Amino acid sequence: DVKVTQSSRYLVKRTGEKVFLECVQDMDHENMFWYRQDPGLGLRLIYFSYDVKMKEKGDIPEGYSVSREKKERFSLILESASTNQTSMYLCASSTAPEEDTQYFGPGTRLTVL
Amino acid sequence: QKEVEQNSGPLSVPEGAIASLNCTYSDRVSQSFFWYRQYSGKSPELIMSIYSNGDKEDGRFTAQLNKASQYVSLLIRDSQPSDSATYLCAVEKTNAGGTSYGKLTFGQGTILTVHP
Repeated sequence: DVKVTQSSRYLVKRTGEKVFLECVQDMDHENMFWYRQDPGLGLRLIYFSYDVKMKEKGDIPEGYSVSREKKERFSLILESASTNQTSMYLCASSTAPEEDTQYFGPGTRLTVL
Repeated sequence: QKEVEQNSGPLSVPEGAIASLNCTYSDRVSQSFFWYRQYSGKSPELIMSIYSNGDKEDGRFTAQLNKASQYVSLLIRDSQPSDSATYLCAVEKTNAGGTSYGKLTFGQGTILTVHP
């Protein structure tokens, strides 16, 4: 079974803090994705990576950066957390185009106070 | 216009009925379409993918695609209370060079409740 894990299920941070969200997948997938999910807005793509050290901006990259130093690990960084970044963050991985399925991690509920 | 738009819901159907979930998309060059199911408090999981015009059946689920109308739907026959979830329509997004790396654009989701 494909397993995607995220470092925390719940996280509470203060405005201005630097926040790291970690995602690890164990299936040697090339592609990894970070989404945020907000009520009524669905999943929105923040960043994705198609290879080690390769990344592209998604639809809402402002206020975020990413790091992919190893194939299995993809990190989302909030340089200076703000209250409007309070959300559910979901990581996913895939082997597209070989297989289209995206496998999601359990999510991190981030609250910024 | 949103890139992917789903009927707003929430949708409530009685057990045993057919649930119909609809989705429209704006990018005419899109070729790959997906339905994900997300139970409350859980992460999304893929239930159907469809690439060609017409119907694709998998058990109680049927996905329908009409590229001319830019319309995708999901029918759930003999709905069960266990089908109660949020259903997310997703469309593969390609960049200017035609590559996608599996990038998806999701609709806002439709909450389905199946009541006994």
